[in-house]
Amino acid sequence: NAGVTQTPKFQVLKTGQSMTLQCAQDMNHNSMYWYRQDPGMGLRLIYYSASEGTTDKGEVPNGYNVSRLNKREFSLRLESAAPSQTSVYFCASMGYSPLHFGNGTRLTVT
Amino acid sequence: AQRVTQPEKLLSVFKGAPVELKCNYSYSGSPELFWYVQYSRQRLQLLLRHISRESIKGFTADLNKGETSFHLKKPFAQEEDSAMYYCALRAAGNKLTFGGGTRVLVKP
Repeated sequence: NAGVTQTPKFQVLKTGQSMTLQCAQDMNHNSMYWYRQDPGMGLRLIYYSASEGTTDKGEVPNGYNVSRLNKREFSLRLESAAPSQTSVYFCASMGYSPLHFGNGTRLTVT
Repeated sequence: AQRVTQPEKLLSVFKGAPVELKCNYSYSGSPELFWYVQYSRQRLQLLLRHISRESIKGFTADLNKGETSFHLKKPFAQEEDSAMYYCALRAAGNKLTFGGGTRVLVKP
């Protein structure tokens, strides 16, 4: 039982490059989330998917897109990376139990 | 819109002293509040939730709807309590937002 799995763990991008962060959960949870964690800013919600087939903006959605591919998978895409997107990204999922987090992706945009 | 505010970015206490982490929220509906903790090099994990009214690792938190607060308290801090603590609010539609976090440092 892996829980919430994120890939990659680390990534360095140049400004303007694109990439997709992958997230998968094996707990049959309905809801999935993407957060970014920055020093002094806490965890900020980027996008979430309350159930398969739906996605909604969070607090800081600009510059990101998401896809809820199926119940297990929820990906986050940066179409044109900017230095302001340097952060640690966390995927999480929730069913009737509390939020379960992945290990995070440390992204640096130069 | 919902908002969670943790006014203290850092709390430094001595071992054995009481510690209280403040959390205030704004939300027009009926909220569900949580405290999450992140120990060094570990994933965020649930510490407690207001609907269960339990005490975990000696921590308690009471939801005060009049003051829109959900402060976390522990009467005697231990060194292993040093961590980052986040207050979170679940609103309708399963939207879950977090506060800015409070770093707790327990000194020996």
